[in-house]
Amino acid sequence: GAVVSQHPSRVICKSGTSVKIECRSLDFQATTMFWYRQFPKQSLMLMATSNEGSKATYEQGVEKDKFLINHASLTLSTLTVTSAHPEDSSFYICSARDSGGGNQPQHFGDGTRLSIL
Amino acid sequence: SQQGEEDPQALSIQEGENATMNCSYKTSINNLQWYRQNSGRGLVHLILIRSNEREKHSGRLRVTLDTSKKSSSLLITASRAADTASYFCATDDRNTGGFKTIFGAGTRLFVKA
Repeated sequence: GAVVSQHPSRVICKSGTSVKIECRSLDFQATTMFWYRQFPKQSLMLMATSNEGSKATYEQGVEKDKFLINHASLTLSTLTVTSAHPEDSSFYICSARDSGGGNQPQHFGDGTRLSIL
Repeated sequence: SQQGEEDPQALSIQEGENATMNCSYKTSINNLQWYRQNSGRGLVHLILIRSNEREKHSGRLRVTLDTSKKSSSLLITASRAADTASYFCATDDRNTGGFKTIFGAGTRLFVKA
């Protein structure tokens, strides 16, 4: 089945560091990828929609200068948390939808647990 | 913003029992999906039911959809300890052309061996 690889799985770093998370679709092309944030025991909150070759679409309340998204190819999207602070600590999950669109399920990466000290 | 409400928030049952989780949503949908998440992992797609379908089966899973009540249920029969996970319903928001997926709050299922 379709596989999405997310890397790294865990990051621990000091406050002020910028952290890049990669999301790759391994066996299908994804013109659109999604980035979610999940707090403990809560659901996924959509942060932004990453569009190949164009600017990402951010959800209300998500700072685009804080969470930089780049979708340079049909199989790779990156999320960079700039100048991370302890409140940015969270579980970040990416997903990709096969180009079939609306009635296709999303395929999720295994998530990145970000801990800012 | 999330539009799905799920109940119960947490469910603890004995192995072999059936587990039923419910989901309600607010907007018009193209389809509704159920996902599973093991602790600290990504989501795994379980089943998709289209808006014109009422019931769907996949192995030990049975999903119903009532668009008049804007609700869905997921039934796991003959549960196993390995079914312990969080379960989320998700809908493709028709207001965005079915493009954006909105997740419910989730039900944490614990199956005791």
